[in-house]
Amino acid sequence: QKEVEQNSGPLSVPEGAIASLNCTYSDRGSQSFFWYRQYSGKSPELIMFIYSNGDKEDGRFTAQLNKASQYVSLLIRDSQPSDSATYLCAGRAKGGKLIFGQGTELSVKP
Amino acid sequence: GAVVSQHPSWVICKSGTSVKIECRSLDFQATTMFWYRQFPKQSLMLMATSNEGSKATYEQGVEKDKFLINHASLTLSTLTVTSAHPEDSSFYICSARGPTGIGDNVQFFGPGTRLTVL
Repeated sequence: QKEVEQNSGPLSVPEGAIASLNCTYSDRGSQSFFWYRQYSGKSPELIMFIYSNGDKEDGRFTAQLNKASQYVSLLIRDSQPSDSATYLCAGRAKGGKLIFGQGTELSVKP
Repeated sequence: GAVVSQHPSWVICKSGTSVKIECRSLDFQATTMFWYRQFPKQSLMLMATSNEGSKATYEQGVEKDKFLINHASLTLSTLTVTSAHPEDSSFYICSARGPTGIGDNVQFFGPGTRLTVL
């Protein structure tokens, strides 16, 4: 079992819809989780981090963490074509390392 | 704030030569930097953790004698790919653990270096 798992997609949503990206993790010791966005050929850029159970909102993005279920999600409201990218979920491991999932490719259709 | 740069952005070299990649934190001090490698259509693979003033910690399966890491200052870490071969061709990305206050030492990524070994 991979430490951080994501559905590789591609996930396709129409413009203006809500995109829901999911991630599960196996290490109950992980306390912090991160969502990065990576455009093709570019390096990852941070969207949000979350370390408390519940929701955390930042603009059109909402991260959700459920430690009991070992589940992290990212909701993107009012999706735009510019949101089309690969979204990487990562959990913080020992020593500050990040363990990345394989990423979910999102496509927002105009 | 929390900007990380990498140089060069791309490099093409002949098989058997060595290539040095620099990673700099521009507006903050980074005691810890990380080096990743990413092959097409795959996720990031952590190669090593670079700590200022001490030896790097390499992940299992990464040859420390082939991928030399030096973190000589609080703003600069270098990765040298020695005796590069075509299978080393990849996208190399560094990250720096951000300054305290941003939140749980978030990692900020450099723009990456695309290495092609002929």
